[in-house]
Amino acid sequence: ELKVEQNPLFLSMQEGKNYTIYCNYSTTSDRLYWYRQDPGKSLESLFVLLSNGAVKQEGRLMASLDTKARLSTLHITAAVHDLSATYFCAVDRYSGGSNYKLTFGKGTLLTVNP
Amino acid sequence: EAQVTQNPRYLITVTGKKLTVTCSQNMNHEYMSWYRQDPGLGLRQIYYSMNVEVTDKGDVPEGYKVSRKEKRNFPLILESPSPNQTSLYFCASSLSGWPPWSTEAFFGQGTRLTVV
Repeated sequence: ELKVEQNPLFLSMQEGKNYTIYCNYSTTSDRLYWYRQDPGKSLESLFVLLSNGAVKQEGRLMASLDTKARLSTLHITAAVHDLSATYFCAVDRYSGGSNYKLTFGKGTLLTVNP
Repeated sequence: EAQVTQNPRYLITVTGKKLTVTCSQNMNHEYMSWYRQDPGLGLRQIYYSMNVEVTDKGDVPEGYKVSRKEKRNFPLILESPSPNQTSLYFCASSLSGWPPWSTEAFFGQGTRLTVV
């Protein structure tokens, strides 16, 4: 069974600081996704990482994937209040044909304080 | 506009009264799924469908039914709702799972269900 673990689950940081959220998963997978969820809202896709070594950047967020270590990171640079949200990573488990299952981590609640 | 539409957005019902939450996507996606989100548990998959007339159980299927008669629609049915099904529900769709294609999921706005 695929397990996806994020840490930390809660992160309070000051504006202007840097931090990293980690996503570990337990079985082989080549596809990993990061989503953002604002309170009371739906999930918005942030990054799609499809291969080992993939790195994607958007604004103050950068995501990377190391499939050998089964690890993805979401790095936040010079945080601003607008980044406050819950961030989820999700991993595919591909089982042949067109069968696959997406498993989510529990999410990291990020609060950026002035 | 590409979107996944769920209805209703909010629903309060009584134990045992059958209900259906509808989900429709306009992106011609093959893969659709339902998730429930509960505090501290993240998102858990209830059912998924790889194409018309093809559905399978996710992690928490008990108490739910689905059907996929058309590609665009994937309703979630609660035949006899119970209070432990009070939750926030999301429908999602994505392209086929054939690699190397991305299976990036697009989510509906959510349905907040309360069963009393």
